[in-house]
Amino acid sequence: GENVEQHPSTLSVQEGDSAVIKCTYSDSASNYFPWYKQELGKGPQLIIDIRSNVGEKKDQRIAVTLNKTAKHFSLHITETQPEDSAVYFCAVLRGGTYKYIFGTGTRLKVLA
Amino acid sequence: DADVTQTPRNRITKTGKRIMLECSQTKGHDRMYWYRQDPGLGLRLIYYSFDVKDINKGEISDGYSVSRQAQAKFSLSLESAIPNQTALYFCATSDHEGSWETQYFGPGTRLLVL
Repeated sequence: GENVEQHPSTLSVQEGDSAVIKCTYSDSASNYFPWYKQELGKGPQLIIDIRSNVGEKKDQRIAVTLNKTAKHFSLHITETQPEDSAVYFCAVLRGGTYKYIFGTGTRLKVLA
Repeated sequence: DADVTQTPRNRITKTGKRIMLECSQTKGHDRMYWYRQDPGLGLRLIYYSFDVKDINKGEISDGYSVSRQAQAKFSLSLESAIPNQTALYFCATSDHEGSWETQYFGPGTRLLVL
């Protein structure tokens, strides 16, 4: 079955610096790759996603890149702010299954 | 997301008790899901339902059951709770847009089994 590895598990950055979180997956049939942000006491919320026919997508300070050959995708946050502190999850969806496999999460701390 | 609500938000129960976690949504989505979240393990799928008459097991369904009472309601039951079911439980819904899925999560229910 699909396996999704997420690194690092924790990440501390200074405010204004960039943060990068990486996920690797095993199933080459996977075709949808969302990223979720989970704040304390809340459920995960979608922040950005990418389809398998696209290599990069950007939304203001957040970007996601996908390398289908190497089977990995990454979340990039630039100019980090304290409100970016949260747990971030990647997920992978295999076409036609409608079931996600989630990464294990990255706790991001942005130090003021 | 306020459109997906879960009750209760916190629950403490004892080993062997039967409990029910409830999920309601006002998004009009057909698909609903139950996940559990454990530290270091991410979210794992327990059950999912594509409509009222369609219930499917996820990767960790043992010890759980579900009921889809209506399009808007999807309940998760622990027939006889055990301590290793202590976790954070999330309900989610999804819309169908071609072959793509975006899931919307509720705020979660924190369950402690003593």
